[in-house]
Amino acid sequence: NAGVTQTPKFQVLKTGQSMTLQCAQDMNHNSMYWYRQDPGMGLRLIYYSASEGTTDKGEVPNGYNVSRLNKREFSLRLESAAPSQTSVYFCASSPRSGGQSNTEAFFGQGTRLTVV
Amino acid sequence: AQSVTQPDIHITVSEGASLELRCNYSYGATPYLFWYVQSPGQGLQLLLKYFSGDTLVQGIKGFEAEFKRSQSSFNLRKPSVHWSDAAEYFCAVGARGTYKYIFGTGTRLKVLA
Repeated sequence: NAGVTQTPKFQVLKTGQSMTLQCAQDMNHNSMYWYRQDPGMGLRLIYYSASEGTTDKGEVPNGYNVSRLNKREFSLRLESAAPSQTSVYFCASSPRSGGQSNTEAFFGQGTRLTVV
Repeated sequence: AQSVTQPDIHITVSEGASLELRCNYSYGATPYLFWYVQSPGQGLQLLLKYFSGDTLVQGIKGFEAEFKRSQSSFNLRKPSVHWSDAAEYFCAVGARGTYKYIFGTGTRLKVLA
């Protein structure tokens, strides 16, 4: 059982370049999330998707876009990368839905992104 | 606004010593509470969770946590630390009625041999 799979694991971008981080889960979860992790800041929510076809902003959405392609996949796009977006990005999923919120999130292994 | 505070950025303990990592939350009702562990270069792994009922919860790897409503705390404990416990630990809140998980800033644990 693969769980939550993120690609790529590492990426170096030049300022202004664009890229898409991919995330897929095979647990039939309703909710999916994108977090960034920076030293001393913990994990901050970028965007989340409560269900297929819906997305919502989190704490730090500026400079990012997301797509919930289907129930399995949730991608994060950087249209014009900036050095401030250098971070480790984590995708997570959860069974949470409107009628059930007492569940945990399951995390992928992360994508380490460097913008130079 | 909902928030999670982990007041200790770094903690160093000797192998075999007891451990307590602190977590305080700010939330209007009883939240869902979690502790996760992150080893270097890895994702986050769930240690334990509290939803309701018994306020002392047991987790994996010999960890336990106690929910104290009066103190808005959910501290993580282990009676005897092993060198393999060296990692970063995150406390998180799952706000009822929303889909969000809010994380603290983490506590990095170092274990001395």
